[in-house]
Amino acid sequence: AQKITQTQPGMFVQEKEAVTLDCTYDTSDQSYGLFWYKQPSSGEMIFLIYQGSYDEQNATEGRYSLNFQKARKSANLVISASQLGDSAMYFCAMREDSFSGGYNKLIFGAGTRLAVHP
Amino acid sequence: DGGITQSPKYLFRKEGQNVTLSCEQNLNHDAMYWYRQDPGQGLRLIYYSQIVNDFQKGDIAEGYSVSREKKESFPLTVTSAQKNPTAFYLCASTPLGSTINQPQHFGDGTRLSIL
Repeated sequence: AQKITQTQPGMFVQEKEAVTLDCTYDTSDQSYGLFWYKQPSSGEMIFLIYQGSYDEQNATEGRYSLNFQKARKSANLVISASQLGDSAMYFCAMREDSFSGGYNKLIFGAGTRLAVHP
Repeated sequence: DGGITQSPKYLFRKEGQNVTLSCEQNLNHDAMYWYRQDPGQGLRLIYYSQIVNDFQKGDIAEGYSVSREKKESFPLTVTSAQKNPTAFYLCASTPLGSTINQPQHFGDGTRLSIL
Protein backbone atom coordinates (compact mmCIF):
# COMPACT_ATOMS: atom_id res chain seq x y z
CA ALA A 1 0.00 0.00 0.00
CA GLN A 2 1.27 3.45 -0.88
CA LYS A 3 2.31 5.25 2.25
CA ILE A 4 2.73 8.75 0.81
CA THR A 5 0.40 10.08 -1.87
CA GLN A 6 0.90 13.29 -3.78
CA THR A 7 -2.06 13.56 -6.12
CA GLN A 8 -0.89 16.59 -8.12
CA PRO A 9 1.72 15.65 -10.74
CA GLY A 10 1.99 19.31 -11.76
CA MET A 11 0.87 22.69 -10.47
CA PHE A 12 0.99 26.21 -11.87
CA VAL A 13 0.95 29.42 -9.86
CA GLN A 14 1.32 33.08 -10.65
CA GLU A 15 4.26 34.88 -9.13
CA LYS A 16 3.48 36.44 -5.72
CA GLU A 17 0.44 34.21 -5.18
CA ALA A 18 0.14 31.39 -2.66
CA VAL A 19 0.01 27.73 -3.64
CA THR A 20 -0.85 24.54 -1.75
CA LEU A 21 0.79 21.21 -2.56
CA ASP A 22 -1.11 18.19 -1.28
CA CYS A 23 0.27 15.23 0.65
CA THR A 24 -1.62 12.41 2.33
CA TYR A 25 0.01 9.60 4.25
CA ASP A 26 -0.81 6.23 5.70
CA THR A 27 0.63 4.90 8.94
CA SER A 28 -0.48 2.99 11.99
CA ASP A 29 2.27 4.52 14.13
CA GLN A 30 1.36 7.16 16.68
CA SER A 31 4.78 8.74 16.44
CA TYR A 32 6.00 9.83 13.03
CA GLY A 33 7.50 12.78 11.22
CA LEU A 34 6.67 14.42 7.93
CA PHE A 35 9.20 16.24 5.75
CA TRP A 36 9.01 18.35 2.64
CA TYR A 37 11.94 18.58 0.24
CA LYS A 38 12.48 20.78 -2.82
CA GLN A 39 14.36 19.45 -5.83
CA PRO A 40 15.39 22.08 -8.41
CA SER A 41 16.31 21.03 -11.94
CA SER A 42 19.94 20.70 -10.82
CA GLY A 43 18.92 17.67 -8.77
CA GLU A 44 19.89 18.31 -5.17
CA MET A 45 17.30 17.69 -2.45
CA ILE A 46 16.75 20.70 -0.21
CA PHE A 47 15.02 20.21 3.13
CA LEU A 48 12.22 22.74 3.62
CA ILE A 49 10.09 21.97 6.66
CA TYR A 50 9.25 19.31 9.24
CA GLN A 51 6.05 18.41 11.11
CA GLY A 52 5.97 15.93 13.98
CA SER A 53 2.89 13.88 14.72
CA TYR A 54 2.71 15.23 18.26
CA ASP A 55 3.28 18.86 17.30
CA GLU A 56 0.25 20.86 18.31
CA GLN A 57 0.93 23.74 15.98
CA ASN A 58 1.43 23.75 12.25
CA ALA A 59 5.08 24.13 11.29
CA THR A 60 6.25 27.31 9.61
CA GLU A 61 9.60 28.24 8.04
CA GLY A 62 9.64 31.61 6.36
CA ARG A 63 7.35 31.44 3.32
CA TYR A 64 6.68 27.74 3.90
CA SER A 65 4.00 26.42 6.20
CA LEU A 66 2.31 23.09 6.75
CA ASN A 67 -1.41 22.60 6.90
CA PHE A 68 -1.33 19.52 9.13
CA GLN A 69 -4.64 17.69 9.60
CA LYS A 70 -3.83 14.61 11.64
CA ALA A 71 -7.30 13.05 11.54
CA ARG A 72 -7.32 13.29 7.76
CA LYS A 73 -3.67 12.16 7.57
CA SER A 74 -2.73 15.08 5.41
CA ALA A 75 0.25 17.43 5.54
CA ASN A 76 -0.12 19.97 2.78
CA LEU A 77 2.68 22.42 2.01
CA VAL A 78 1.69 26.04 1.58
CA ILE A 79 4.09 28.38 -0.19
CA SER A 80 3.16 32.01 0.22
CA ALA A 81 4.18 34.83 -2.13
CA SER A 82 5.56 32.47 -4.80
CA GLN A 83 8.81 33.40 -6.50
CA LEU A 84 10.23 32.30 -9.84
CA GLY A 85 12.92 30.40 -7.94
CA ASP A 86 10.25 28.22 -6.35
CA SER A 87 9.83 26.36 -9.64
CA ALA A 88 10.96 22.82 -8.81
CA MET A 89 9.82 19.34 -7.82
CA TYR A 90 8.47 19.06 -4.30
CA PHE A 91 8.51 15.81 -2.35
CA CYS A 92 6.64 14.84 0.78
CA ALA A 93 8.32 12.16 2.93
CA MET A 94 7.51 10.33 6.15
CA ARG A 95 9.61 8.75 8.85
CA GLU A 96 7.88 6.26 11.11
CA ASP A 97 9.27 5.99 14.62
CA SER A 98 9.07 2.20 14.55
CA PHE A 99 12.09 2.36 12.25
CA SER A 100 14.09 4.47 14.68
CA GLY A 101 17.21 3.37 16.52
CA GLY A 102 19.62 5.09 14.20
CA TYR A 103 17.92 4.11 10.99
CA ASN A 104 16.34 7.22 9.62
CA LYS A 105 14.23 5.58 6.89
CA LEU A 106 12.25 8.00 4.79
CA ILE A 107 9.36 7.01 2.54
CA PHE A 108 8.87 9.44 -0.34
CA GLY A 109 5.88 10.39 -2.42
CA ALA A 110 6.08 10.68 -6.21
CA GLY A 111 6.40 14.45 -6.08
CA THR A 112 4.65 17.51 -7.51
CA ARG A 113 6.24 19.69 -10.16
CA LEU A 114 5.55 23.36 -9.45
CA ALA A 115 5.88 26.00 -12.15
CA VAL A 116 5.78 29.66 -11.13
CA HIS A 117 4.78 32.02 -13.92
CA PRO A 118 5.71 35.73 -14.02
CA ASP B 1 31.56 24.09 4.53
CA GLY B 2 30.34 20.64 5.49
CA GLY B 3 28.40 18.63 2.99
CA ILE B 4 28.09 15.58 0.79
CA THR B 5 30.04 15.28 -2.46
CA GLN B 6 28.89 12.90 -5.14
CA SER B 7 30.97 12.15 -8.23
CA PRO B 8 30.83 12.01 -11.11
CA LYS B 9 27.86 14.20 -11.94
CA TYR B 10 27.21 12.22 -15.14
CA LEU B 11 28.20 8.61 -15.81
CA PHE B 12 27.76 6.32 -18.77
CA ARG B 13 27.78 2.55 -18.58
CA LYS B 14 28.33 0.02 -21.31
CA GLU B 15 26.49 -3.26 -21.40
CA GLY B 16 27.98 -5.79 -18.98
CA GLN B 17 30.08 -3.21 -17.18
CA ASN B 18 30.21 -2.44 -13.47
CA VAL B 19 30.41 1.21 -12.50
CA THR B 20 31.03 2.84 -9.12
CA LEU B 21 29.42 6.03 -7.85
CA SER B 22 31.29 7.96 -5.21
CA CYS B 23 29.78 9.55 -2.09
CA GLU B 24 31.93 11.41 0.43
CA GLN B 25 30.72 13.43 3.43
CA ASN B 26 32.52 15.69 5.91
CA LEU B 27 29.55 16.17 8.24
CA ASN B 28 30.84 13.54 10.68
CA HIS B 29 27.60 11.65 10.17
CA ASP B 30 27.48 7.96 10.99
CA ALA B 31 24.54 6.86 8.84
CA MET B 32 24.60 7.04 5.05
CA TYR B 33 22.03 6.12 2.40
CA TRP B 34 21.77 5.53 -1.33
CA TYR B 35 18.57 6.30 -3.23
CA ARG B 36 17.48 5.80 -6.80
CA GLN B 37 15.14 8.24 -8.52
CA ASP B 38 13.31 7.47 -11.76
CA PRO B 39 11.39 10.08 -13.77
CA GLY B 40 8.02 10.87 -12.22
CA GLN B 41 8.77 8.83 -9.13
CA GLY B 42 9.93 9.48 -5.62
CA LEU B 43 13.18 8.24 -4.14
CA ARG B 44 13.61 4.55 -3.41
CA LEU B 45 16.17 3.24 -0.92
CA ILE B 46 18.90 0.98 -2.31
CA TYR B 47 21.26 0.48 0.66
CA TYR B 48 21.99 2.11 3.97
CA SER B 49 24.81 1.97 6.48
CA GLN B 50 24.69 2.97 10.13
CA ILE B 51 28.33 2.41 11.01
CA VAL B 52 31.63 1.51 9.38
CA ASN B 53 31.84 -2.05 8.03
CA ASP B 54 28.10 -2.53 8.29
CA PHE B 55 25.36 -1.98 5.74
CA GLN B 56 21.84 -3.21 5.06
CA LYS B 57 19.74 -3.73 1.96
CA GLY B 58 16.98 -1.28 1.25
CA ASP B 59 13.90 -1.79 -0.89
CA ILE B 60 15.64 -2.24 -4.28
CA ALA B 61 19.12 -3.65 -3.56
CA GLU B 62 19.24 -6.23 -6.36
CA GLY B 63 21.98 -5.46 -8.88
CA TYR B 64 23.79 -3.08 -6.54
CA SER B 65 26.60 -3.41 -4.00
CA VAL B 66 28.15 -1.07 -1.44
CA SER B 67 31.05 -0.88 0.97
CA ARG B 68 31.69 1.21 4.08
CA GLU B 69 35.37 1.06 4.92
CA LYS B 70 35.53 4.65 6.17
CA LYS B 71 33.02 6.78 7.99
CA GLU B 72 33.27 9.48 5.34
CA SER B 73 32.77 7.27 2.30
CA PHE B 74 29.92 5.09 1.02
CA PRO B 75 30.50 4.10 -2.64
CA LEU B 76 27.77 2.40 -4.66
CA THR B 77 28.59 -0.10 -7.41
CA VAL B 78 26.01 -0.67 -10.11
CA THR B 79 26.71 -4.17 -11.35
CA SER B 80 25.96 -5.76 -14.70
CA ALA B 81 23.15 -7.63 -12.94
CA GLN B 82 21.20 -4.38 -12.75
CA LYS B 83 19.36 -4.55 -16.06
CA ASN B 84 17.80 -1.11 -15.92
CA PRO B 85 20.40 1.15 -14.30
CA THR B 86 19.46 4.40 -16.04
CA ALA B 87 18.38 6.70 -13.22
CA PHE B 88 19.39 9.56 -10.93
CA TYR B 89 21.26 8.39 -7.82
CA LEU B 90 21.29 10.37 -4.59
CA CYS B 91 23.42 9.84 -1.51
CA ALA B 92 22.31 11.09 1.92
CA SER B 93 23.48 11.05 5.53
CA THR B 94 22.30 11.60 9.11
CA PRO B 95 23.91 11.46 12.55
CA LEU B 96 23.58 8.05 14.22
CA GLY B 97 20.71 7.79 16.65
CA SER B 98 19.13 10.85 15.14
CA THR B 99 15.79 11.94 16.46
CA ILE B 100 12.68 11.62 14.38
CA ASN B 101 12.84 15.25 13.31
CA GLN B 102 16.35 14.96 11.88
CA PRO B 103 16.28 15.60 8.12
CA GLN B 104 18.56 13.69 5.81
CA HIS B 105 21.27 15.73 4.10
CA PHE B 106 21.65 15.00 0.39
CA GLY B 107 24.39 15.25 -2.19
CA ASP B 108 23.86 16.72 -5.65
CA GLY B 109 23.37 13.34 -7.29
CA THR B 110 24.84 11.30 -10.15
CA ARG B 111 22.96 10.74 -13.39
CA LEU B 112 23.71 7.30 -14.84
CA SER B 113 22.89 6.40 -18.43
CA ILE B 114 23.38 3.34 -20.60
CA LEU B 115 25.46 3.66 -23.78
